[in-house]
Amino acid sequence: QVQLVESGGGVVQPGRSLRLSCAASGFTFSTYGLHWVRRAPGKGLEWVTVISYDGSNKYYADAVKGRFTVSRDNSKNTLYLQMNSLRAEDTAVYYCAKDQGGSTYVYDYWGRGTLVTVSS
Amino acid sequence: DIQMTQSPSSLSASVGDRVTITCRASQSIGSYLNWYQQKPGKAPELLIYTASSFHSGVPSRFSGSGSGTDFTLTISSLQPEDSATYYCQQSYSAPRTFGQGTKVEIK
Repeated sequence: QVQLVESGGGVVQPGRSLRLSCAASGFTFSTYGLHWVRRAPGKGLEWVTVISYDGSNKYYADAVKGRFTVSRDNSKNTLYLQMNSLRAEDTAVYYCAKDQGGSTYVYDYWGRGTLVTVSS
Repeated sequence: DIQMTQSPSSLSASVGDRVTITCRASQSIGSYLNWYQQKPGKAPELLIYTASSFHSGVPSRFSGSGSGTDFTLTISSLQPEDSATYYCQQSYSAPRTFGQGTKVEIK
C-alpha cells in the first residue's frame, strides 16, 4: 500500500535552516507529482509547494517563495523540502502528499507529518 | 485567492444520525472540490474528489454533492470511527485553498 513517511522536523531558531524528507513506497514514485502541505497550530491546512513527476516544474505558496526549495530524488523515492530563513509563522506540522495524477492538486495519500517549531 | 468557508465549525451527533457539512467557495470553482478526513495524530485521508467521486476504500455512507460555489459532504449514518475533522479544498485555481475544518464529535 502507499506509504509516505516524513522526517527531519524539530526545533530551530528564527533565521536558521532545516531540511525535511519524505520517504515513499507502494507506488511508482517517478510518475506522480508531490506536494508539501502544512498545518500551523490552531489553524487549517495550507498548501506549501508542488513538484512535478520529473522535478522540472515547481510552484510555491507566496508565504514561502524565495525561502523554501522543493526537490526529489526518483532513484531514492524521496521528496525533500529545504527551508531557509525560517520564521515563527513557519511553525507547523508539515505533511507530504501524493498528487492523484501529475498536478491535479487532489492529494490522494498523505504522510503523518513532521513538526517544525521555529522559536528562539 | 479563493476563500473556502465551512459550516458548522463543529458539531456533535449521535451514532446513526445523518450529518451534513457545507462548504462555500468565494467564487465559482465548477466541481473542483475535494473532501478530506483527519483524525488526531493521523495522516489526512481523501474521501471525495471532484465534488462527488469516491476515493478508493471510502465507506458508502459518505457522499458529496454540489457545484459552482456550494458543496455538501453527507454522512448518511454516523459511526463512532467518523469522529474526526473534515476539510474541504478547492483544486480549481492557485493557490489551492482549504476550508477551516469541521470537527465532528460523537455524543
